[in-house]
Amino acid sequence: GQNIDQPTEMTATEGAIVQINCTYQTSGFNGLFWYQQHAGEAPTFLSYNVLDGLEEKGRFSSFLSRSKGYSYLLLKELQMKDSASYLCAVRGPNQGGKLIFGQGTELSVKP
Amino acid sequence: DSGVTQTPKHLITATGQRVTLRCSPRSGDLSVYWYQQSLDQGLQFLIQYYNGEERAKGNILERFSAQQFPDLHSELNLSSLELGDSALYFCASSLTSAGMNNEQFFGPGTRLTVL
Repeated sequence: GQNIDQPTEMTATEGAIVQINCTYQTSGFNGLFWYQQHAGEAPTFLSYNVLDGLEEKGRFSSFLSRSKGYSYLLLKELQMKDSASYLCAVRGPNQGGKLIFGQGTELSVKP
Repeated sequence: DSGVTQTPKHLITATGQRVTLRCSPRSGDLSVYWYQQSLDQGLQFLIQYYNGEERAKGNILERFSAQQFPDLHSELNLSSLELGDSALYFCASSLTSAGMNNEQFFGPGTRLTVL
């Protein structure tokens, strides 16, 4: 079966660092994606990991451990505009580009 | 702006009716994906087309069907609509089907309300 778990919500302070965790149990693995989604808007791509390790992209970094079925998204120097839902998604092998999404983590950034 | 367009933006209809949602992928993208997002279910994959052919299928209801045309735009048809079909329907596109870092670009969505 397919199961992706993320915390439902998190709160952090402007300027701080926050880590959003994602664990997955899927039948096969061919990459993990992180997307950001503001309420009522389209998800936008943040990062992609297929090999173990850390991928850094400006204020955002994403880490993957395939043996542990675990990923995290790290957001540094938080800004108010980072308040959004963060979606973890896994792509399985031999399934085209199909993405299985977690329920998303609602992040609130407070001043 | 992702470059993916969807029409209409909003759709209000009654139970039992049929609707068609339309999607135009980014220029050059061959793959189109349809997702449904409701409050209690999150973002759910429905179906993928690649260059006109069905490539992957999710838990798409038999009342729903899709196709991709020679110009690569896609349509999602929803029939015998039920209240529970009310949701945001997103279309996404990508260059290939499942290559490395095959980022999917999402359109703005169609909000369907079934009354």
